[in-house]
Amino acid sequence: GQNIDQPTEMTATEGAIVQINCTYQTSGFNGLFWYQQHAGEAPTFLSYNVLDGLEEKGRFSSFLSRSKGYSYLLLKELQMKDSASYLCAVREPNDYKLSFGAGTTVTVRA
Amino acid sequence: EAGVAQSPRYKIIEKRQSVAFWCNPISGHATLYWYQQILGQGPKLLIQFQNNGVVDDSQLPKDRFSAERLKGVDSTLKIQPAKLEDSAVYLCASSRASSGNTIYFGEGSWLTVV
Repeated sequence: GQNIDQPTEMTATEGAIVQINCTYQTSGFNGLFWYQQHAGEAPTFLSYNVLDGLEEKGRFSSFLSRSKGYSYLLLKELQMKDSASYLCAVREPNDYKLSFGAGTTVTVRA
Repeated sequence: EAGVAQSPRYKIIEKRQSVAFWCNPISGHATLYWYQQILGQGPKLLIQFQNNGVVDDSQLPKDRFSAERLKGVDSTLKIQPAKLEDSAVYLCASSRASSGNTIYFGEGSWLTVV
């Protein structure tokens, strides 16, 4: 099984940077995903890490350390539209089962 | 390409009634997932199909929930009889059947049991 932990809430100011941490304890690992979910909408894919290191995609970056069971999502130059829940999810190796954390609600203030 | 399609979008039923949700995955995606997301929580996997076979249904409450994917494409999730605690969003997702492929979600079916 998977145990995935992330903070419940974070607040930041427009234009700032926020880092959302995710730690996991799993019986297997085949990649870590970050999804964004606006209130009342379905999750949308943000990033995927399977090897250690940083993946950058515009204002969003995601980091993975497999030995530490740790990932973070970095949101730069925050905009009001970035206010959403951010979900960390870990995939198991054999059957591609994807397990989610409870999500981190990010509120961006002017 | 077209995304994951789900229907109905919204459903309100009384407890002990039944409800069915339908999902059409992205064309060519062999893996299909049904997730339950209760307000304020992350999605919880109910069942995962690989083509028309079940890969994992360990968290599916089998006394009241059932799901099928008869021809390896569309899938139906049924709840009978519904309980108040089944009020949630039911998310269908799909992916290609290999490592490294992104999982895409539909817009969800919002169920309220009263």
